[in-house]
Amino acid sequence: NAGVTQTPKFRILKIGQSMTLQCAQDMNHNYMYWYRQDPGMGLKLIYYSVGAGITDKGEVPNGYNVSRSTTEDFPLRLELAAPSQTSVYFCASRGEAAGYTFGSGTRLTVV
Amino acid sequence: GENVEQHPSTLSVQEGDSAVIKCTYSDSASNYFPWYKQELGKRPQLIIDIRSNVGEKKDQRIAVTLNKTAKHFSLHITETQPEDSAVYFCAASTGTGNQFYFGTGTSLTVIP
Repeated sequence: NAGVTQTPKFRILKIGQSMTLQCAQDMNHNYMYWYRQDPGMGLKLIYYSVGAGITDKGEVPNGYNVSRSTTEDFPLRLELAAPSQTSVYFCASRGEAAGYTFGSGTRLTVV
Repeated sequence: GENVEQHPSTLSVQEGDSAVIKCTYSDSASNYFPWYKQELGKRPQLIIDIRSNVGEKKDQRIAVTLNKTAKHFSLHITETQPEDSAVYFCAASTGTGNQFYFGTGTSLTVIP
């Protein structure tokens, strides 16, 4: 099992550009989440999904979109990147009776 | 929604001493409380968790206690070692699959 795989690990975007952060898990987990972590801060939920075809907003969804066409994949789309979106992004998945398994993170800088 | 508060934000201890991190939560429906350790530049890793039907759980040098009445739970690390230095996050969840609400983290430094 690879667990939760995130790509890319690092990315620099210019203001106004768009990109997709990829997240895939091979544990057959129904629940998947996207968090952002600003320097020295905790984790804020952006979007989550309780199964294929179902997504919902978290605390800080503005400027992002997600889709969940399969159980395995949960990509996060940034449209019109802004400096405020500079952060580390973590994808996580969860089984029925367990804690989160986090991906290794994507460090995004918007300049 | 749930609100999780965590204290202290920073903690320094001498090697071999104990460290205690405390969290409070607001939603009495929360029933699952995990703790995560995040080393610099790495992903958070689950170190211990507790469910609401249990008051205490231990795993070697790490223990977690839960007081449902007071809505607080604590992480206890005994015989601290330099490799325990990291940021620790508490979290609360109201049920299977439901999102975790995280505390703001405690930066623990163990001084050799």
